[in-house]
Amino acid sequence: DAGVTQSPTHLIKTRGQQVTLRCSPKSGHDTVSWYQQALGQGPQFIFQYYEEEERQRGNFPDRFSGHQFPNYSSELNVNALLLGDSALYLCASSLDYRATGNTIYFGEGSWLTVV
Amino acid sequence: GENVEQHPSTLSVQEGDSAVIKCTYSDSASNYFPWYKQELGKGPQLIIDIRSNVGEKKDQRIAVTLNKTAKHFSLHITETQPEDSAVYFCAAREDSGAGSYQLTFGKGTKLSVIP
Repeated sequence: DAGVTQSPTHLIKTRGQQVTLRCSPKSGHDTVSWYQQALGQGPQFIFQYYEEEERQRGNFPDRFSGHQFPNYSSELNVNALLLGDSALYLCASSLDYRATGNTIYFGEGSWLTVV
Repeated sequence: GENVEQHPSTLSVQEGDSAVIKCTYSDSASNYFPWYKQELGKGPQLIIDIRSNVGEKKDQRIAVTLNKTAKHFSLHITETQPEDSAVYFCAAREDSGAGSYQLTFGKGTKLSVIP
């Protein structure tokens, strides 16, 4: 059973560029959340997708956007990259909040460096 | 919103000793408290979790306790081994009531187990 898979694992972008990160949730999971983890910090919630819609959003600007596909996979897009966007971007998968025994699993992340 | 405080930020123990990490949370509506272990360059790995209807949970050398009244929860690792060395994060899940939820993380504890 594959866990949460993310791609790419590492990438380098220039300020002002755009980036797309991808995530496939754990088999059977229908809810995908994205988190940003700066060096030496805990992950911070960006947004959550369920049934192809953004259901909740954290304190991140509109430059951060996402999408969920019918197969539950998801993309995170960041436009107009800033140096401060350099971080580990984590995808988390889970069942819908109404499911019992809900547990949240993380992928290995995508390391983004903005130069 | 939820706020999670985690202590200590660093912890060194001798192999075989016990390690305790403590977290407090602010939102009494939070009902799920997972602990994650993060090794260098990897994503967070769930090691144990506890729900608000349970006071204590144990899994081999790892245990978690929850005090809802005081709004704090703790991770206990007994008989520590060098492979336990990592950064540990506590988190609290806040149900927004709108059919969504997010994890709020502490800042992490770097545990070093000295052989």
